[in-house]
Amino acid sequence: GQQLNQSPQSMFIQEGEDVSMNCTSSSIFNTWLWYKQDPGEGPVLLIALYKAGELTSNGRLTAQFGITRKDSFLNISASIPSDVGIYFCAGLNNQGGKLIFGQGTELSVKP
Amino acid sequence: EAGVAQSPRYKIIEKRQSVAFWCNPISGHATLYWYQQILGQGPKLLIQFQNNGVVDDSQLPKDRFSAERLKGVDSTLKIQPAKLEDSAVYLCASSLAPLVGDTQYFGPGTRLTVL
Repeated sequence: GQQLNQSPQSMFIQEGEDVSMNCTSSSIFNTWLWYKQDPGEGPVLLIALYKAGELTSNGRLTAQFGITRKDSFLNISASIPSDVGIYFCAGLNNQGGKLIFGQGTELSVKP
Repeated sequence: EAGVAQSPRYKIIEKRQSVAFWCNPISGHATLYWYQQILGQGPKLLIQFQNNGVVDDSQLPKDRFSAERLKGVDSTLKIQPAKLEDSAVYLCASSLAPLVGDTQYFGPGTRLTVL
């Protein structure tokens, strides 16, 4: 089946640093989504990307939909302690809205 | 606007016992999803409903898992009998419609531990 490979698995950074994580797939997706999950909560949508090459920002977050439609990256600038959590990429195909999730990147921010 | 509600939040059972989870989606959302999230992994879709009909249950272990959404609103997911490998967080999500890019809103999940 379709799989997404997300890297890195975990990151430990200092407050104020920039962060970059990415997601790759052997399959093409028509939509890429980035979610954040806090402990004990469900994932919350951060950014949605709908077109190959699209670059979208949401505050300090920037994400891009790869040209090949097989990858995406998420950047967080000037990290703060509340950025701590697990970030998931997810790919969406046209078949009824089925989301395929990556394994997640766990972000830790040291004040 | 109220979010997706799930109960219970935590459940501990012994293997071979039965368990049921409940989900109430956001009002007006026609599509409801159940996901299984094993520790250290991303959520995996178990079943998708459009109103009270099943759209996709290809990854639901039907020998032990069942789900229903009888009136097209709230839904229950049941496991009978449970196995150790069923220990996971079960997430419910809803969206207005299963369109490409339509946002899925997730509930807080039910954490199941099977001993």
